Amino acid sequence: EVQLLESGGGLVQPGGSLRLSCAASGINFMNYAMSWVREAPGKGLEWVSSISGSGGATHFADSVKGRFTISKDNSKNTLFLQMNSLRAEDTAVYYCAKGVIPSDSEPYYYHYIDVWGKGTTVTVSS
Amino acid sequence: EIVLTQSPGTLSLSPGERATLSCRASPSLRSSYLAWYQKKPGQAPRLLIYGASNRATGIPDRFSGSGSETDFILTISRLEPEDFAVYFCQQYGSSPLTFGGGTKVVIK
Repeated sequence: EVQLLESGGGLVQPGGSLRLSCAASGINFMNYAMSWVREAPGKGLEWVSSISGSGGATHFADSVKGRFTISKDNSKNTLFLQMNSLRAEDTAVYYCAKGVIPSDSEPYYYHYIDVWGKGTTVTVSS
Repeated sequence: EIVLTQSPGTLSLSPGERATLSCRASPSLRSSYLAWYQKKPGQAPRLLIYGASNRATGIPDRFSGSGSETDFILTISRLEPEDFAVYFCQQYGSSPLTFGGGTKVVIK
């Protein structure tokens, strides 16, 4: 069974930084694109960032571009999200997600999500 | 950016009834790259449908998806008590990936 377990959330002041981790089990991690998706209080789901299976290519939502970095350590089956210059509007539950690319001809960032973690809460507040 | 508009916002139904949820895309999607998810409070989202009409592994056949281009439907043929939840659609044929605002299915 594939499992994703996020950690690293917490309370941080505006302008601060946090690093989220997602430990994966039950999959050959390097074969899969991964994403972070967030859910702000009272709002819907928002895609944040994706990374290719190898970790060599990354993609970001405009709302976080230049502030967030995504990476993965395939030797440790772990996905990361480094979040800098945090703002109040970044407050959300952050989900780690395993992507399924619909065909070999599609780029890694075109995927649906077949496994989600339970999420870690990030609160940006003074 | 493709905007997904879900309706209704809330659907009030009784167990055993049929639920019909709509997801409208603007502009249209290519290749029916649309997925549906179920979300319950405090739980991770669960994939129900991908490719507009393909049930994910382990999903009961009372869940079905249909549609193409701009109009997509998730149907729950007979609501079970565990089906009362929020349902989101997501498109994955254009960057950025986008989600609909959700439809909450509540017990009448």
